[in-house]
Amino acid sequence: GAGVSQSPRYKVAKRGQDVALRCDPISGHVSLFWYQQALGQGPEFLTYFQNEAQLDKSGLPSDRFFAERPEGSVSTLKIQRTQQEDSAVYLCASSWGQGGSYEQYFGPGTRLTVT
Amino acid sequence: AQSVTQLGSHVSVSEGALVLLRCNYSSSVPPYLFWYVQYPNQGLQLLLKYTSAATLVKGINGFEAEFKKSETSFHLTKPSAHMSDAAEYFCAVRPRGRGYNKLIFGAGTRLAVHP
Repeated sequence: GAGVSQSPRYKVAKRGQDVALRCDPISGHVSLFWYQQALGQGPEFLTYFQNEAQLDKSGLPSDRFFAERPEGSVSTLKIQRTQQEDSAVYLCASSWGQGGSYEQYFGPGTRLTVT
Repeated sequence: AQSVTQLGSHVSVSEGALVLLRCNYSSSVPPYLFWYVQYPNQGLQLLLKYTSAATLVKGINGFEAEFKKSETSFHLTKPSAHMSDAAEYFCAVRPRGRGYNKLIFGAGTRLAVHP
C-alpha cells in the first residue's frame, strides 16, 4: 500500500520489558514524526526526524524512550523498562516536506498495553 | 506556548442536522490550522487545512471550516450530518516560522450521530 504502516498493531508487555515499535513511512517522505496518544486524549508529539537526523526529541517523556531512523526511511521507537504509564497508542506520521502547511500522513498506530 | 482548545468533548446530533465542532487557538500570529478525523482503531485522516489563502476552507466529506482571526477560532461545520460522520475529530495547529514542525493537537471532540 501507499500509506504509512506500523507494526505491530497491538503489543502487550509486562512491566519492565523492552519494546520496539516500527514505522514504515510513505516512500520519499523526508519528515517522520512519532506521537503518543493516551486514552481519550489528543496525540502528543514525541520526536521528529528529517531524513536520518533526529532534529527534535523534546517530547520524549524520559530517557527510557529512544527513536532512530538510520537510513532515512524506516523508523523504530524503543521503550526500555516499560511502565504502566507508557500504555497508549503510538502514532507515526510522515510528510513530504518540513514544517509549513505540509500534510502529515498518519499510520494506524500501535496500541501498547503494559500490564 | 501554543495551545488548542476544543470546546465540548462530546457532541451529539441527529442525522441531517448541522454539525458544529469548535476550535480556538492561542497565538498572536495565526498558525497553520488543521482538522483531522479519527475512526476507531485507525490513524488520523486530514479533513482540511488553513494556510492563509482563504478564510473559508472546504475539505473532504462535505466539511468546511472558517478561520476568524478576531476570534482566534477555526470551527468545523457540515450542513447535514450523516451516520458515517460519527468519529473523533481533532483540531491541530503548527506555528509559522522556521523550526516548527510538530503538530499541537486539541483534546478532541467525539461526534455521535443518531437517527
